[in-house]
Amino acid sequence: DVKVTQSSRYLVKRTGEKVFLECVQDMDHENMFWYRQDPGLGLRLIYFSYDVKMKEKGDIPEGYSVSREKKERFSLILESASTNQTSMYLCASSLGTSSSGANVLTFGAGSRLTVL
Amino acid sequence: GQNIDQPTEMTATEGAIVQINCTYQTSGFNGLFWYQQHAGEAPTFLSYNVLDGLEEKGRFSSFLSRSKGYSYLLLKELQMKDSASYLCAVRDSNYQLIWGAGTKLIIKP
Repeated sequence: DVKVTQSSRYLVKRTGEKVFLECVQDMDHENMFWYRQDPGLGLRLIYFSYDVKMKEKGDIPEGYSVSREKKERFSLILESASTNQTSMYLCASSLGTSSSGANVLTFGAGSRLTVL
Repeated sequence: GQNIDQPTEMTATEGAIVQINCTYQTSGFNGLFWYQQHAGEAPTFLSYNVLDGLEEKGRFSSFLSRSKGYSYLLLKELQMKDSASYLCAVRDSNYQLIWGAGTKLIIKP
């Protein structure tokens, strides 16, 4: 089974702190994604990556950055956390290019971040 | 703009059948997905439709009509473990996924 592991299930941070959310997948997937999930809204894409050292902005990249130094690891960074970044963050991965068939996403269990 | 609509919440009885609808307006269409998400857990893939018609997978079926911008997920012989949120997502012309807000399904004994 493909596993996507997010390092922290629950975090509480203060406004202005730098926050790192780590995600590791163990099935050699090329594509990795960071989403946030908020009540009443669909998943919103923050950043994605189709290859090592490559990153693309999603729909809501402001206030976030990412790092992909190794194929299996995709990190989300909040340079200066703000209260409006309190959310559930979901990492996902998929095999192959975006145009190849279903290209199903496999998600991690999520990291619930609270910014005080 | 792009939009996916699905009911916020539905209630059904154990052993019954429930249909969860999803309508979409997107820039192009390259497939529709259904995912299941139990509370506090990761979403997991249920089905993928790219052509019109019904795809059946055990107790779950998914239907697509591209001309109507419409899909439904049909769950038969409902079990308590089917209590979860069901997420509809459409892949647009840029192969990006547009997500609905999800339908919370409550199963009562």
